[in-house]
Amino acid sequence: GESVGLHLPTLSVQEGDNSIINCAYSNSASDYFIWYKQESGKGPQFIIDIRSNMDKRQGQRVTVLLNKTVKHLSLQIAATQPGDSAVYFCAEKSMRFGAGTRLTVKP
Amino acid sequence: GAVVSQHPSRVICKSGTSVKIECRSLDFQATTMFWYRQFPKQSLMLMATSNEGSKATYEQGVEKDKFLINHASLTLSTLTVTSAHPEDSSFYICSATKGDLKSPLHFGNGTRLTVT
Repeated sequence: GESVGLHLPTLSVQEGDNSIINCAYSNSASDYFIWYKQESGKGPQFIIDIRSNMDKRQGQRVTVLLNKTVKHLSLQIAATQPGDSAVYFCAEKSMRFGAGTRLTVKP
Repeated sequence: GAVVSQHPSRVICKSGTSVKIECRSLDFQATTMFWYRQFPKQSLMLMATSNEGSKATYEQGVEKDKFLINHASLTLSTLTVTSAHPEDSSFYICSATKGDLKSPLHFGNGTRLTVT
């Protein structure tokens, strides 16, 4: 069946470093992916999305890369800040979530 | 724009009682809303898809008679947890979309349900 999952449950980085969070999916027909950020006790917030006709999309300090060959996408956060500490989820077609990666930024 | 309000943010109830959670899209019309449950340190699990004016579509393993969903208008969906048990204690989150499934969801801030 379909699944969207993440490689690592936790990631700890130093403030100012770049962060890379990975996500794998199994359905080769998936054509739309979203990254969400969830802070403690809150609902997820949209970060960036990408459609399958693209390999890369950039936002403010964030970049999403999509590799359809290996069914993998990643979220790159540049110059990670303490405010970036949260759980990050990738989601397929807007509604199904992966396992999540907790990002901790050390000052 | 695209604000989703969820109420209450926290609720404590006794076993056997029912609890209603409201999800409102404040500045847009949402033909489709989604209900999720999230246990500590876990991901969001989709429970059901709520469609305005029709019956909700439940995910496999989710009891429709226990988790009653009503989507009576384009801005309001409700989830009622009936005959609550301690194992129903969880974080319930709703979301709504302005368009189809190829557009981002807008989430409420969740409801922390504790059943004693």
